[in-house]
Amino acid sequence: QSALTQPPSASGSPGQSVTISCTGTSSDVGGYNYVSWFQQHPGKVPKLMIYEVTKRPSGVPDRFSGSKSGNTASLTVSGLQAEDEADYYCASFGGNYWVFGGGTKLAVL
Amino acid sequence: QVQLQESGPGLVKPRETLSLTCTVSGASIISRNWWSWVRQPPGMGLEWIGELYHDGRINYRPSLKSRVIVSADKSRNLFFLKLTSVTAADTAIYYCARVASGTWGGIEDWGQGTLVTVST
Repeated sequence: QSALTQPPSASGSPGQSVTISCTGTSSDVGGYNYVSWFQQHPGKVPKLMIYEVTKRPSGVPDRFSGSKSGNTASLTVSGLQAEDEADYYCASFGGNYWVFGGGTKLAVL
Repeated sequence: QVQLQESGPGLVKPRETLSLTCTVSGASIISRNWWSWVRQPPGMGLEWIGELYHDGRINYRPSLKSRVIVSADKSRNLFFLKLTSVTAADTAIYYCARVASGTWGGIEDWGQGTLVTVST
């Protein structure tokens, strides 16, 4: 089970939108609508931002949205804010296991 | 409010067994949740290890399957991780976590994590 592919970095200015991709295969991302996204600030515990491709847990701002097309899932952060600067990880179900992406460091310039 | 707390040795020798306990409060491990273990090597990304369900179903990361056991003590509301034959590559922060009921991959509750170093 190879790690899902994410860009190492992404950036945007305050107020802009940025999209982070997460590419897998037909055995994971493409095969199930079970993709999650996690935010992790340095030294902190990961926080769930999106699950089941598009669903937001309560308390997560609607500036965060998820989507999927084929074997690639995406996280879009709209109206970037300084506190959005963090590492973001995707995860996908792969049949009887879960696999994470390598992570994307989002910088708010 | 659900709280999880990992505990166990912070230092394990190569070729020995890493054993961690997750103490759960605010929820019962016999409830309809998946209970998970995730690790993060220092400065690196998250890695899913395994999970168990109240009905006994257990899933493992394929590459670790020969070395890992996830189990639970329902009477004490604890679940456990054992990883055998450890190497330096198993050095990581180990998190226990709960997947929100009725969700797939909704890991909403995490322990604070415990650093385990594999070294002589």
